[in-house]
Amino acid sequence: AQTVTQSQPEMSVQEAETVTLSCTYDTSESDYYLFWYKQPPSRQMILVIRQEAYKQQNATENRFSVNFQKAAKSFSLKISDSQLGDAAMYFCAYRSDLTQGGSEKLVFGKGTKLTVNP
Amino acid sequence: EAQVTQNPRYLITVTGKKLTVTCSQNMNHEYMSWYRQDPGLGLRQIYYSMNVEVTDKGDVPEGYKVSRKEKRNFPLILESPSPNQTSLYFCASSPRLAGRKGTQYFGPGTRLLVL
Repeated sequence: AQTVTQSQPEMSVQEAETVTLSCTYDTSESDYYLFWYKQPPSRQMILVIRQEAYKQQNATENRFSVNFQKAAKSFSLKISDSQLGDAAMYFCAYRSDLTQGGSEKLVFGKGTKLTVNP
Repeated sequence: EAQVTQNPRYLITVTGKKLTVTCSQNMNHEYMSWYRQDPGLGLRQIYYSMNVEVTDKGDVPEGYKVSRKEKRNFPLILESPSPNQTSLYFCASSPRLAGRKGTQYFGPGTRLLVL
């Protein structure tokens, strides 16, 4: 079974600075998807960014980018120019590739709480 | 607006009193799923549905039931709630497009307290 590990329970960053959240995962599959979700105090789960394992290029969404290292099974999230609204719990998640008969289930890490200091 | 809705958002009940949490999506997604979120445990899947009348157990199905009679709705039923089912519940849906799509979109969550 796949597992996702977020080794940083809490992180903090100064406003306008850059922060990197770590995520590692364990799988024997070759094709899969990785996601970062943001959960602000409202508790809504908001998709931040997604990465397909078959793509070598790292995904980018505005101030959010990932460093995907497939061989190392690492998937870190970099937030540039941090804003107060970025303060939230961040979850890393894994999903199998359906074309290989995988499950649609998202496997989540336990989360990293990000604090942004003004 | 494309969205997943859940009702109620907050619920306090007592042990053994049957309840239903509704979930509805307006995106014509085939796949729907229920998760529960507990401190220190992250999110865990309860049940999922690949399409109408097709449901299956996730990782923590004990004490829950689901049904999928219509594509847009996927209610979660607790027939005899117990205090260990106190949790934050999320419904999610995704399209089952061929191949490489299928990002899951989440509802706003339902906070349940069982006394």
